[in-house]
Amino acid sequence: KNEVEQSPQNLTAQEGEFITINCSYSVGISALHWLQQHPGGGIVSLFMLSSGKKKHGRLIATINIQEKHSSLHITASHPRDSAVYICAVREWGRDDKIIFGKGTRLHILP
Amino acid sequence: DAGITQSPRHKVTETGTPVTLRCHQTENHRYMYWYRQDPGHGLRLIHYSYGVKDTDKGEVSDGYSVSRSKTEDFLLTLESATSSQTSVYFCAISRQGLGSYNEQFFGPGTRLTVL
Repeated sequence: KNEVEQSPQNLTAQEGEFITINCSYSVGISALHWLQQHPGGGIVSLFMLSSGKKKHGRLIATINIQEKHSSLHITASHPRDSAVYICAVREWGRDDKIIFGKGTRLHILP
Repeated sequence: DAGITQSPRHKVTETGTPVTLRCHQTENHRYMYWYRQDPGHGLRLIHYSYGVKDTDKGEVSDGYSVSRSKTEDFLLTLESATSSQTSVYFCAISRQGLGSYNEQFFGPGTRLTVL
């Protein structure tokens, strides 16, 4: 079983829809990251969080430490949001180790 | 942007040849990482460095070596490339984030094809 699981693996939605991507993990963590990777592009850090909720523009990330679960939400989705979204956790006490999920491929149709 | 560049950005080579990928950073960060990214897998750590001449292995280090002779450069070497090492390679640095948790920033990636 992977230590970081994302769902869904693939998601296609219409422009304007509210998007939710989920991440569950099985290890104790000190922080969780959400990353974005556009096709053929580099990897960009969207959020790093260890509790509660963070918001940046149309993106919202939440984390529930007790349930070992995080969600990434996109409001009023747009075709330019089409990308792979990657969840990654920093294992507690192992600052040198980050465990990555396999990513969720999001496609927003105009 | 954390001032990370990778070279080359694309490379095609033949099985058995040596290959060196370079990661360069301009912000004097202590921690640097090499990952590979393959379809069906998450990013996987090859090697990392926590200072000049200080390196350690990641989960997929077989067939790779690294060197860090100065803070700004972290080199990844495939001594004898194999087709299984065809991948996209990302370099990353760790930068202090809020609450002392380190945030990782990635280079643009190097696409390596081993024929």
